[in-house]
Amino acid sequence: EVQLVESGGGLVQPGRSLRLSCAASGFTFDDYAVHWVRQAPGKGLEWVSGINWNSGSIVYADSVKGRFTISRDNAKNSLYLQMNSLRAEDTALYYCAKILGWSGGYFDLWGRGTLVTVSS
Amino acid sequence: DIQMTQSPSSLSASVGDRVTITCRASQSISRSLNWYQQRPGKAPKVLIYAASNLQSGVPSRFSGSGSGTDFTLTISSLQPEDFATYYCQQTYTTPYTFGQGTKLEIK
Repeated sequence: EVQLVESGGGLVQPGRSLRLSCAASGFTFDDYAVHWVRQAPGKGLEWVSGINWNSGSIVYADSVKGRFTISRDNAKNSLYLQMNSLRAEDTALYYCAKILGWSGGYFDLWGRGTLVTVSS
Repeated sequence: DIQMTQSPSSLSASVGDRVTITCRASQSISRSLNWYQQRPGKAPKVLIYAASNLQSGVPSRFSGSGSGTDFTLTISSLQPEDFATYYCQQTYTTPYTFGQGTKLEIK
């Protein structure tokens, strides 16, 4: 089955760190760029970060730049998001999504998301 | 950053109605505009990519048009399963910004 499955979310205190994972299956993972998109409770979608197939191109939203690090391990068909210095406003459901293309592309496959709650 | 503005933010309609949602970009994005549907508790699902291309498996009652800065999503005859929230997204340049969403509710 073609799917993305996120994990690693949970409750964390402000200022602490968390690492999210996204496991891909059913397709050739290293053929595609993948991204993280988040959604705060009751709010809209916010693009967070993206990485191309060989990690040669990495981009971040300004809201997470310098705090979050995206990476991938093609041998393990996995995408990661290391989140440091977490803030209350980082509380959200985090989705990983596969993109067809890069510029001009679209997210054709999404995971179900993993919930991150930042609170003391 | 490119700002994406959808209108309306919410919309009440009946089964069988024709509905149009608009999305405006703060600068030209050519045709790099996608539309997603999100049902409650579910991940987004792409409906239209590159402004007017219907994603495989999506019903033909959905259509998209536009280029440059102004885009529309049209649902020709609303079905009960179409009541959801719709988002536009530009992938012309990073950050790949989304519109704020349009919640389509049953009248």
